Amino acid sequence: QVHLQESGPGLVKPSQTLSLTCTVSGGSISSGGYYWNWIRQFPGKGLEWIGHMYYSGDTQYNPSLESRVTISADTSKNQFSLRLTSLTAADTAVYFCARSPFVVAAPFDYWGQGTLVTVSS
Amino acid sequence: DIQMTQSPSSLSASVGDTVTITCRASQSITKNLNWYQQKPGRAPNLLIHAAFILQSGVPSRFRGSGFGTDFTLTISSLQPEDFANYYCQHSHSIPWTFGQGTRVEVK
Repeated sequence: QVHLQESGPGLVKPSQTLSLTCTVSGGSISSGGYYWNWIRQFPGKGLEWIGHMYYSGDTQYNPSLESRVTISADTSKNQFSLRLTSLTAADTAVYFCARSPFVVAAPFDYWGQGTLVTVSS
Repeated sequence: DIQMTQSPSSLSASVGDTVTITCRASQSITKNLNWYQQKPGRAPNLLIHAAFILQSGVPSRFRGSGFGTDFTLTISSLQPEDFANYYCQHSHSIPWTFGQGTRVEVK
């Protein structure tokens, strides 16, 4: 059974950089065949896909965030990370990591529990 | 970006009812459409992928249909544990986007 767990600060100041890590157990992010995603959910419940990476290091990002976001992996720890710069209050959300397999429609089949990030001074 | 529009935004139903949620894409996404259920304080849970394929472990009362721009999620014989929020999501092109959600609440 695959398990994903997000970790990182719950409170970040405006203009600062957010760094979150997703630790994966029950499967290797280096094995191929999956995208490793970051998704966020705003307080009003809307969901936004942030981007994903493949174990090779290839990434794709939501164009609305592309100038501020980086997704990378530490395969030795079986983790992948999100870095989001120049934070504003609009970035306050629950951040999820999720896996999507290389099948038709690439669904998010396993999710972390989510971590609330509040941007406030 | 491809916009996903769900309707209704909320509905009231009783145990045993059949409910239908629709999701419309702003352009064709063929069958690159997934459905999720989310309960308060939890991550979304995959119900249906590729428009109509039931995810392993999901009860057969959940059924997905559609192709192109118009999709439906039907829940037959609604159970108490089905009162939740439901989201559609496409993966046809970058960026992947979600519908705004449908809340299924107790009548």
